[in-house]
Amino acid sequence: EDQVTQSPEALRLQEGESSSLNCSYTVSGLRGLFWYRQDPGKGPEFLFTLYSAGEEKEKERLKATLTKKESFLHITAPKPEDSATYLCAVQDNSGYALNFGKGTSLLVTP
Amino acid sequence: GAVVSQHPSRVICKSGTSVKIECRSLDFQATTMFWYRQFPKKSLMLMATSNEGSKATYEQGVEKDKFLINHASLTLSTLTVTSAHPEDSSFYICSARGLDTDTQYFGPGTRLTVL
Repeated sequence: EDQVTQSPEALRLQEGESSSLNCSYTVSGLRGLFWYRQDPGKGPEFLFTLYSAGEEKEKERLKATLTKKESFLHITAPKPEDSATYLCAVQDNSGYALNFGKGTSLLVTP
Repeated sequence: GAVVSQHPSRVICKSGTSVKIECRSLDFQATTMFWYRQFPKKSLMLMATSNEGSKATYEQGVEKDKFLINHASLTLSTLTVTSAHPEDSSFYICSARGLDTDTQYFGPGTRLTVL
C-alpha cells in the first residue's frame, strides 16, 4: 500500500527565511509525485509533477526535487502570500488515483 | 487552462434529504473524475473514481448506495449524497484528469452541512 508522510506538520517562517518541506513516500511503482497548494476553504491548486529521481521543477519561489524515497519543496525567500497548506501526493502504476499526505501548514509572517 | 468548477459552493440541508453536487471541467475534456472528502485540518480522502460512461469505482468503506456518482459526459460528473445525515457533513472536492495527462485539477470544493 502506498504511504506518504509529510514533515513538518506545521512551519512558521519569517518573510525572507528560506526552508524546505519534506515528503517521504513508499509506492509500488511510481507513476508520479505531485505537489499542491491548498488555501483554507478551497480546493488544491496544482504546483508540480515529478516523475523520476533527480528531476527538479521550479515556479517562482518554489522548487521541487525528487529522490527514490522522498521529495522536497524548497521555498526561497518566502512572502506572506505563500502561507498555505502544501500537499504531497503519489500516483502509482495501478491507475491515476492520488494518495495524499497530511500536508504541511506553512505560515509566513511579515 | 485546466479549470474545474463545482456547484454549489455551500449547501445546508435537513437530515434525510438528498443533495446533488456538480463538477465540471470548463476548458478540457475529463477522461476521469475523482471525488474526495476532507475533514477539518485533515488531508483529502479519495471516495471514488469515475470514467465517462462507466460505473464509478468506490474506495473501501465508501457506501456506493449513499454516494451516487454519475459521469454522463466528458465535462460533467455529479455526486449525490442520498438521505444525508449530520455525519455526512464535510468538504467535498472533485478533480478531473484530461486525456493525455496524469495531473488532476481540482474544483473549489463544496461545503455540505447537514442539520
